[in-house]
Amino acid sequence: KQEVTQIPAALSVPEGENLVLNCSFTDSAIYNLQWFRQDPGKGLTSLLLIQSSQREQTSGRLNASLDKSSGRSTLYIAASQPGDSATYLCAVRPASNDYKLSFGAGTTVTVRA
Amino acid sequence: SAVISQKPSRDICQRGTSLTIQCQVDSQVTMMFWYRQQPGQSLTLIATANQGSEATYESGFVIDKFPISRPNLTFSTLTVSNMSPEDSSIYLCSVEPPSSRTYGYTFGSGTRLTVV
Repeated sequence: KQEVTQIPAALSVPEGENLVLNCSFTDSAIYNLQWFRQDPGKGLTSLLLIQSSQREQTSGRLNASLDKSSGRSTLYIAASQPGDSATYLCAVRPASNDYKLSFGAGTTVTVRA
Repeated sequence: SAVISQKPSRDICQRGTSLTIQCQVDSQVTMMFWYRQQPGQSLTLIATANQGSEATYESGFVIDKFPISRPNLTFSTLTVSNMSPEDSSIYLCSVEPPSSRTYGYTFGSGTRLTVV
């Protein structure tokens, strides 16, 4: 059974600092991995999708890397802003014909002005 | 990717009552998913809803407690029945990604349920 872990559980940084969020998974046989943002009490907003064959994916200030062999993904957020304060979740999809995602518990980020 | 409209966004309900949550998608999708997120926890899949068939429930979830309807390819409802304070959670719907590998999962905006 796939287990997804996100460390740290919470992170507080001053504005302008770069953020590094970690996601690890136990079974390296994945189809893809997706990073989400969740604001308090709200739904999930997709940030980046990285396929199993990719090493990284970028969108604006966000960059996600994937190392399947070691079971790790890292989300980098450059030059953090107070608006980046949220919980960030990673989710792993096991196979193209398996739609069940395995979620990490998330990292709650606070960016201090 | 699909756009999902979920409502209500939040509700406060009395114990013993039921609440129905709706999700409307702007395109036809075969599979819709319902998740629960208990306070401070990550997402747990409740069931998968396919149009024209009974929903498939995950271990620990039963149809009597969480009946699901899927009348067409763009709409689904989840009912939380005979609620207790332990049902206080965020409930989210999601849809399968398009067949293209470019898109990931899309989620609704969530329903924040408080049972008193």
